[in-house]
Amino acid sequence: EVQLVESGGILVQPGGSLRLSCAASGFTFRNYAMSWVRQAPGKGLEWVSVISDRGGRTYYPDSVKGRFTISRDNSKNTLYLQMSSLRAEDTAVYYCVKLIGTDGYKDYFDYWGQGTLVTVSS
Amino acid sequence: QSVLTQPPSASGTPGQRVTISCSGSRSNIGTNDVYWYQQIPGTAPKLLIYKNNQRPSGVPDRFSGSKSGTSASLAISGLRSEDEADYYCATWDDSLRGYVFGSGTKVTVL
Repeated sequence: EVQLVESGGILVQPGGSLRLSCAASGFTFRNYAMSWVRQAPGKGLEWVSVISDRGGRTYYPDSVKGRFTISRDNSKNTLYLQMSSLRAEDTAVYYCVKLIGTDGYKDYFDYWGQGTLVTVSS
Repeated sequence: QSVLTQPPSASGTPGQRVTISCSGSRSNIGTNDVYWYQQIPGTAPKLLIYKNNQRPSGVPDRFSGSKSGTSASLAISGLRSEDEADYYCATWDDSLRGYVFGSGTKVTVL
């Protein structure tokens, strides 16, 4: 059974930094692209980043480009999201998501974690 | 503001058919496959339809998807109370070089 367990969400001040983690199990982690998708309170889904199976290819939307960095450690079956220069509008539940393919390009999301809440507020 | 446009709400009585639209453009729906996700309140999204009209194993055949030009739609036939949820369409956008989601549609079973 695929399991994705996020951690690291906390209350952080504007301008601060934070790293989220996602522990994956139930599948061969190193063979799949992975992504982060967020959902602000009461709002819709917003894609945040994607990384290829070996980590060599990443994509970001303009809303987080230059502030967020996605990475992975295939030896630990763990996905990360390093967030910096955080803003109030980054407040959201962050979901760790598995993709069906390897390179993250024109792919789709098949399994989602339960999410971790990041609150950016002073 | 979402790149893909969905109606904010849809409703029906048990047993009825409900259809949700998803409108995009040539750079997204016009050239890429569409996916649909169901999110029951308080839970994570779940894949409902992939590659426009394919159902993952375990998804009832009451759910069906279609795509034409720059629009897609999700149909729920034989509506049931457990279908009350938010539904999102998604695809890749060639211009933005990233994934885009619809604004979401809340389905209510009356």
